[in-house]
Amino acid sequence: AQSVTQLDSHVSVSEGTPVLLRCNYSSSYSPSLFWYVQHPNKGLQLLLKYTSAATLVKGINGFEAEFKKSETSFHLTKPSAHMSDAAEYFCVVRGNTGGFKTIFGAGTRLFVKA
Amino acid sequence: DTGVSQDPRHKITKRGQNVTFRCDPISEHNRLYWYRQTLGQGPEFLTYFQNEAQLEKSRLLSDRFSAERPKGSFSTLEIQRTEQGDSAMYLCASSSDVNTEAFFGQGTRLTVV
Repeated sequence: AQSVTQLDSHVSVSEGTPVLLRCNYSSSYSPSLFWYVQHPNKGLQLLLKYTSAATLVKGINGFEAEFKKSETSFHLTKPSAHMSDAAEYFCVVRGNTGGFKTIFGAGTRLFVKA
Repeated sequence: DTGVSQDPRHKITKRGQNVTFRCDPISEHNRLYWYRQTLGQGPEFLTYFQNEAQLEKSRLLSDRFSAERPKGSFSTLEIQRTEQGDSAMYLCASSSDVNTEAFFGQGTRLTVV
């Protein structure tokens, strides 16, 4: 069975300061992990993905995430927040066997203050 | 545009009516997924196709819901006897391989009045 927990429902940062969005996962098998972003009235867009290659994954718009198997975590970070980063972020786990079902976390709303 | 497309984008229906949504995945993608997203929540998995075979269905998919992908290309999701609780955004996604990401459509927003 797979599950994903986003530890914060809301995160607020000031523009120019670092961003940390936390995600823990549970999977019976070696999973694929993703971060998606959803801007208001927009579709889901992939930020980055981990598929058992490098544990530090770089994505678009300066985001990156580190896969830590020992901690079952896949936290999303960005060194310097921009106003345009304000959105809903989803951590996603997908198993690599069976139906390859994809499970979304509940989401973290990122607020960026000027 | 070669992305995932969904039709219609918005649907308002009266309670008890049937509705059908269509999803056209990216053409070379053999995997297709349906999700439902309610306000303030993450998308919830509904069902998954590999080519024309429906390989997995969530318990969320009651017997009023049916999905098909008859030729392994486009897919339809039908909801019979709609209820107000069915109001949500219905998202379709497709992917080509187990290790690749799913690409999402813009969704169909259903409002049951």
